[in-house]
Amino acid sequence: EADIYQTPRYLVIGTGKKITLECSQTMGHDKMYWYQQDPGMELHLIHYSYGVNSTEKGDLSSESTVSRIRTEHFPLTLESARPSHTSQYLCASSVADTQYFGPGTRLTVL
Amino acid sequence: GENVEQHPSTLSVQEGDSAVIKCTYSDSASNYFPWYKQELGKRPQLIIDIRSNVGEKKDQRIAVTLNKTAKHFSLHITETQPEDSAVYFCAASGGGADGLTFGKGTHLIIQP
Repeated sequence: EADIYQTPRYLVIGTGKKITLECSQTMGHDKMYWYQQDPGMELHLIHYSYGVNSTEKGDLSSESTVSRIRTEHFPLTLESARPSHTSQYLCASSVADTQYFGPGTRLTVL
Repeated sequence: GENVEQHPSTLSVQEGDSAVIKCTYSDSASNYFPWYKQELGKRPQLIIDIRSNVGEKKDQRIAVTLNKTAKHFSLHITETQPEDSAVYFCAASGGGADGLTFGKGTHLIIQP
């Protein structure tokens, strides 16, 4: 079934650790996005990609980085996690203007 | 860039009554306006969308209206039910690769 997958779904780590949040989609979409969202609050765009080898920063300043080596894969990396990074991270992909979201990764940094 | 304002931030209605959530946008070039519903602990789900060449669209109990001149659009939910309780986000897009600009969300609470 065509969908967007995110792993892990929950992650608790200590300060200073390097982490990668995985996002894969089987929908064949070119455009992909990362959002940061505190529960029930507004969505903040942190990165997006037009397609392979394209990455752009979004509206919210973020210490994370992304890569897009394959169309279906758009991982997000935090080199050194801090408590301020505690949040939910949502991946999305789009065809034309319509975006479809993954289930999210809830990150807690102690 | 685009700016989307959404009101109210919280809306409480009695079960069976109607609910209306309103959004305004700033960029007259925007031409696509989706609405997402996010239940507690779940991902945002597209529930209805409208393009700028249409003034109104309905799908069962939900409808969206668009006023291009005034640059505002609204979500209407009739005969509200407990399962309508969620956070609703409006968004606007002009077709750029940076995608949608979202409103800050409305917490809709359906009182039994």
